[in-house]
Amino acid sequence: AQSVAQPEDQVNVAEGNPLTVKCTYSVSGNPYLFWYVQYPNRGLQFLLKYITGDNLVKGSYGFEAEFNKSQTSFHLKKPSALVSDSALYFCAVRDRGRLSFNKFYFGSGTKLNVKP
Amino acid sequence: DTAVSQTPKYLVTQMGNDKSIKCEQNLGHDTMYWYKQDSKKFLKIMFSYNNKELIINETVPNRFSPKSPDKAHLNLHINSLELGDSAVYFCASSQDGLAGVVETQYFGPGTRLLVL
Repeated sequence: AQSVAQPEDQVNVAEGNPLTVKCTYSVSGNPYLFWYVQYPNRGLQFLLKYITGDNLVKGSYGFEAEFNKSQTSFHLKKPSALVSDSALYFCAVRDRGRLSFNKFYFGSGTKLNVKP
Repeated sequence: DTAVSQTPKYLVTQMGNDKSIKCEQNLGHDTMYWYKQDSKKFLKIMFSYNNKELIINETVPNRFSPKSPDKAHLNLHINSLELGDSAVYFCASSQDGLAGVVETQYFGPGTRLLVL
């Protein structure tokens, strides 16, 4: 069964410091991987996705994520955090089967707090 | 220019009532989804329609009935509301690739349902 784990409920980082939000997955075969961000009282916004190719994926707002097949991880990173990055971040996975019909499995979310 | 819109944004109702939430997307997508986000922010898919056909139907009480009058609309009707139905319900859409193309899902702003 497919599953996504975000081991940290909350990540605290000072503005200007690098940030990492962790995500590991468990799926059969090679998955498609996504990161979404949710600001308070808003819907989820797409940040980036890994389909194939280069393991380092660059996305919106300066975020990037690295796909590591051996560790089954897809950690979200940013070199220099901004206070405005404070939000809830979700990792999601979709398997590659044709019959999956874009069915996403979401992690439990990680709250990122960036302090000035 | 709202891509995925939901109405209402807030819904407060009594136990036992029947209510509907509407969703519309103007992205030209052919697949739409309903997700439920509980108080712990855990996000889980409920239903998905592709070209007005139900393709994902997770383990959801049959009090919940989705209806898709056309590709751009997916409504969610809930009968006999219960306290445990209180949550945020998100609609999403994507241009689903039945040929294996992986498309991003775009989310609406959410409907906050509170059952008293």
